[in-house]
Amino acid sequence: EPEVTQTPSHQVTQMGQEVILRCVPISNHLYFYWYRQILGQKVEFLVSFYNNEISEKSEIFDDQFSVERPDGSNFTLKIRSTKLEDSAMYFCASSEALRWQTQYFGPGTRLLVL
Amino acid sequence: TQLLEQSPQFLSIQEGENLTVYCNSSSVFSSLQWYRQEPGEGPVLLVTVVTGGEVKKLKRLTFQFGDARKDSSLHITAAQPGDTGLYLCAGVNNAGNMLTFGGGTRLMVKP
Repeated sequence: EPEVTQTPSHQVTQMGQEVILRCVPISNHLYFYWYRQILGQKVEFLVSFYNNEISEKSEIFDDQFSVERPDGSNFTLKIRSTKLEDSAMYFCASSEALRWQTQYFGPGTRLLVL
Repeated sequence: TQLLEQSPQFLSIQEGENLTVYCNSSSVFSSLQWYRQEPGEGPVLLVTVVTGGEVKKLKRLTFQFGDARKDSSLHITAAQPGDTGLYLCAGVNNAGNMLTFGGGTRLMVKP
């Protein structure tokens, strides 16, 4: 069964460093998403991406964040200068279409900022 | 900002009991989804409800979408230890490009 994959599974970084989280969505999906979950808190929407453009973003997704689809298979989330409060589980998701179509989630990348 | 409140946060019951989890909002969603999340993994979709008043059944799980599309419930009949886990509701916005998650209900079913 096709699945969303994410790398790395864990990343530890120093405050102020740049990190890139990588995702490979399901191959025929057109819509891509990033969510994060701070330990013990809700899953929070960050950004959705379609046709090489951001289609929606939350207040969390400020200038420190960016997304890119550098090739036909990868979807990345970059955090330019990490803060302690960026420590969280980051989930990538993809879907064939919008609205009631299923968003398939990857296993997540656990980011720890020291 | 759309918010979803889920209750209860924690539920510990004996095998064979019934339970209901609630998901409430003051906002209208185009659809509502229920997920289950295992430790260290991403959420996995259980069901999507789209129409106000819609009821969907998945074996012993019954999902209902409120008439006004602002709330939903998950009812589990005769719970089993295998039902133990974190259940999340998530509302889909009108554009369909964002999920708003509830805080989750952590269910433990004791044998």
